[in-house]
Amino acid sequence: GENVEQHPSTLSVQEGDSAVIKCTYSDSASNYFPWYKQELGKRPQLIIDIRSNVGEKKDQRIAVTLNKTAKHFSLHITETQPEDSAVYFCAATTDSNYQLIWGAGTKLIIKP
Amino acid sequence: DAGITQSPRHKVTETGTPVTLRCHQTENHRYMYWYRQDPGHGLRLIHYSYGVKDTDKGEVSDGYSVSRSKTEDFLLTLESATSSQTSVYFCAIKGRGQNTEAFFGQGTRLTVV
Repeated sequence: GENVEQHPSTLSVQEGDSAVIKCTYSDSASNYFPWYKQELGKRPQLIIDIRSNVGEKKDQRIAVTLNKTAKHFSLHITETQPEDSAVYFCAATTDSNYQLIWGAGTKLIIKP
Repeated sequence: DAGITQSPRHKVTETGTPVTLRCHQTENHRYMYWYRQDPGHGLRLIHYSYGVKDTDKGEVSDGYSVSRSKTEDFLLTLESATSSQTSVYFCAIKGRGQNTEAFFGQGTRLTVV
């Protein structure tokens, strides 16, 4: 079955700098890769996703890149702001699967 | 809120008592999930459902049971609560095919004393 590894577990960056979180997956059949953000005391919410027919997707300050050959995908946040402080989760699945396989999460800390 | 609600939001219960958490959705999504979230462990799947009366175990199912008698409701029961089941519980719903985003409920904070 699918396995998703996420690194780092904690990331501390200076406000205004960029942050990168990486995930690797094991099942080459996986074709949908979402990223969720969970603020303290709140529920996880989707912030961006990518499908395997696309190499990169951007939405304002966030972007996700996918390398199918290496089976890894990354979340990039530019010009980080205090409100980016949260736990970020990656996941992988296929359209024919009904489960999301989750990474363990990355706690992002934005230092003022 | 994607039409998913959990109840109760907070509960304190005593060791050995049964507890039932409810997840209700109005989206008619086929797939529903129960996760627990503990510090350092991310989201761990307890049980999931792929249709009415169709359920299966996740990675941490011991001590938990579920039922889904209607599309909109997915119940999680702790048969005899233990302190190790103190956690935050999230329900999630998910569509199939192109609609693969998972939507989470607000969470239930359960404390077993």
